[in-house]
Amino acid sequence: KQEVTQIPAALSVPEGENLVLNCSFTDSAIYNLQWFRQDPGKGLTSLLLIQSSQREQTSGRLNASLDKSSGRSTLYIAASQPGDSATYLCAVNLWGGGSYIPTFGRGTSLIVHP
Amino acid sequence: GAGVSQSPRYKVAKRGQDVALRCDPISGHVSLFWYQQALGQGPEFLTYFQNEAQLDKSGLPSDRFFAERPEGSVSTLKIQRTQQEDSAVYLCASSFPPGDTYEQYFGPGTRLTVT
Repeated sequence: KQEVTQIPAALSVPEGENLVLNCSFTDSAIYNLQWFRQDPGKGLTSLLLIQSSQREQTSGRLNASLDKSSGRSTLYIAASQPGDSATYLCAVNLWGGGSYIPTFGRGTSLIVHP
Repeated sequence: GAGVSQSPRYKVAKRGQDVALRCDPISGHVSLFWYQQALGQGPEFLTYFQNEAQLDKSGLPSDRFFAERPEGSVSTLKIQRTQQEDSAVYLCASSFPPGDTYEQYFGPGTRLTVT
């Protein structure tokens, strides 16, 4: 069974810091990996999706890397802002017999204070 | 609509009551997924539809949970004889394969509290 682990579980930093959020998974036969943001009481917003053949994806201040063979992905957040405060979830997609089914980690809860 | 919508947003049920949670996917999206998210946890897969066909229901925790999508658009997740351990946020997502990303778009969720 695929296991997804996210480290750290929680992070509190001052505004302006560059951040690294880590995600590891046990089964490297993934189709793709997706990073999401979840605000309190809200659904999930997709941030970046990396196909298994790709090494990284970038969107604005966010950069996600993928090392499939070692079962790891990293989300970099540059110049963090208070508006970045949220829970960040990593999900890996494996074929489930009909579609790709994501397995999520527990998330990293981020607080960026002014 | 512009995104996935879910109703109700909040539901309080007494233990033993039946509840029905609704999901309206993005128009034209073929695939629809249901997830359960307990407090402090990541979402856990419950079931998946492709059009009206339920292709995977391996994540449903018990036979009290039932999902349907009779016309291949709106879906309903029904929980019979609710228990306290059913308290969670229930998330719905839709996607449009064929496509090479299988990216899912999530609704805001329904927070179910069983008292």
